[in-house]
Amino acid sequence: GNSVTQMEGPVTLSEEAFLTINCTYTATGYPSLFWYVQYPGEGLQLLLKATKADDKGSNKGFEATYRKETTSFHLEKGSVQVSDSAVYFCALTPTMYSGGGADGLTFGKGTHLIIQP
Amino acid sequence: GAGVSQSPSNKVTEKGKDVELRCDPISGHTALYWYRQSLGQGLEFLIYFQGNSAPDKSGLPSDRFSAERTGGSVSTLTIQRTQQEDSAVYLCASSPPGPTSYNEQFFGPGTRLTVL
Repeated sequence: GNSVTQMEGPVTLSEEAFLTINCTYTATGYPSLFWYVQYPGEGLQLLLKATKADDKGSNKGFEATYRKETTSFHLEKGSVQVSDSAVYFCALTPTMYSGGGADGLTFGKGTHLIIQP
Repeated sequence: GAGVSQSPSNKVTEKGKDVELRCDPISGHTALYWYRQSLGQGLEFLIYFQGNSAPDKSGLPSDRFSAERTGGSVSTLTIQRTQQEDSAVYLCASSPPGPTSYNEQFFGPGTRLTVL
């Protein structure tokens, strides 16, 4: 079956530090890949996505590149802010080429990011 | 515009009771999803509706769980004879028409279920 593995943290960084949150996946075929974010007291929201190999998703200074050869979708940001403190979830959905049926998201466990001023 | 809404926001019940959780998707969204978020299991996909039809119910944790969607809109997740391990936050999401594999899913705030 499909699975997503990511570092769970908590990850604690100082403001303006460089961020990498690793994410690797197992899936047949060509899944779509997503990063969702959950800010304190708020619901899950999409941060960025990539739907095919070598695509780069980007939003709010965050980037992730779909690497099929390493089955990875690592999240990066060059300079984090206190407001980036949140839980980040890597996720995938199967596509029709993967024999996908239900199309629900398969999530990683989530990475709790804490940015200190 | 209005987002996905869920009710109730919190539900405390006694073991063995039945509960109903409601989801109102974004207007015009044809796909609707239910997930469960718990400390031990993380975020688990439960079931998906395209219109009123759920093509695959195998993600539901047990036969005590059922879900329906009527009129291509509101959905209800029902848990019968609740157990303490059912305690979790139940999330609903919806997505617009189009390839569901690629579309963003918009999440509701969740219903926090506590089974005593």
